[in-house]
Amino acid sequence: QKEVEQNSGPLSVPEGAIASLNCTYSDRGSQSFFWYRQYSGKSPELIMSIYSNGDKEDGRFTAQLNKASQYVSLLIRDSQPSDSATYLCAVGGAGGFKTIFGAGTRLFVKA
Amino acid sequence: NAGVMQNPRHLVRRRGQEARLRCSPMKGHSHVYWYRQLPEEGLKFMVYLQKENIIDESGMPKERFSAEFPKEGPSILRIQQVVRGDSAAYFCASSPGLSGAYEQYFGPGTRLTVT
Repeated sequence: QKEVEQNSGPLSVPEGAIASLNCTYSDRGSQSFFWYRQYSGKSPELIMSIYSNGDKEDGRFTAQLNKASQYVSLLIRDSQPSDSATYLCAVGGAGGFKTIFGAGTRLFVKA
Repeated sequence: NAGVMQNPRHLVRRRGQEARLRCSPMKGHSHVYWYRQLPEEGLKFMVYLQKENIIDESGMPKERFSAEFPKEGPSILRIQQVVRGDSAAYFCASSPGLSGAYEQYFGPGTRLTVT
C-alpha cells in the first residue's frame, strides 16, 4: 500500500514567522511531488511542484525534496493570516500520472 | 483560458436515485482524475482516465460507481442507487498527459448530498 504521511496539525505560527510543513512517502519509485493548498469548502490549489532533490523556491514558498530519506517539505516564509488553510502533500509514482494525497496539515497563522 | 469545470456544483439526491457528475478538463489536457473527499478528511483517488480509456480505477468502489471519458464531451462519474454514505465532495482534476508534466489542476467540485 503506497502511503503519504503528514502531521495533521494544527500547526499554529505567528504572523511573519516561517511555517514548516513535512511529508513522508513510502514508494521509493515516486518521481513527482506536489504541494496543494485547500481552503475550507474549496478545491485544492496547486502551489508547488518538485521533481529533483534539493530546494525549489517560488516567492514565499520553498519546497525541499530528499529522495533518499523519502521526505518532502514546504516552507512558507513571512506567513500571513491568508495562508491559514490545509496543505496537502501529493506524490506521483513511477510513470507519474497517478497521484496519492496525504491527509493534509492544517495551518493557522495568528495575526 | 478556462480552468477545469464541474457541474453541477451542488447535487441533492434521495437514496436509491442516480447521480451524474460532469467534468470538463482544461483546454489541452487529456487526462482526467476523480477524487472523493469526506468532511475533514483527505482526498481519496477514485479513477484516472484518458479519452475513451480507463487507465486506473483501483480507487473506485466495485459496485454502483462507474466513470467514462468519451471522445466528445465531458468526463462523467456516475453513482447508481446512491446511499447516505455517498454524501461527499467529488473533485475532478486534469493534467496535460505529457511525460514530465504531471501537475493536476482541480475543478471546484460537486457537493453531493444524499437524503
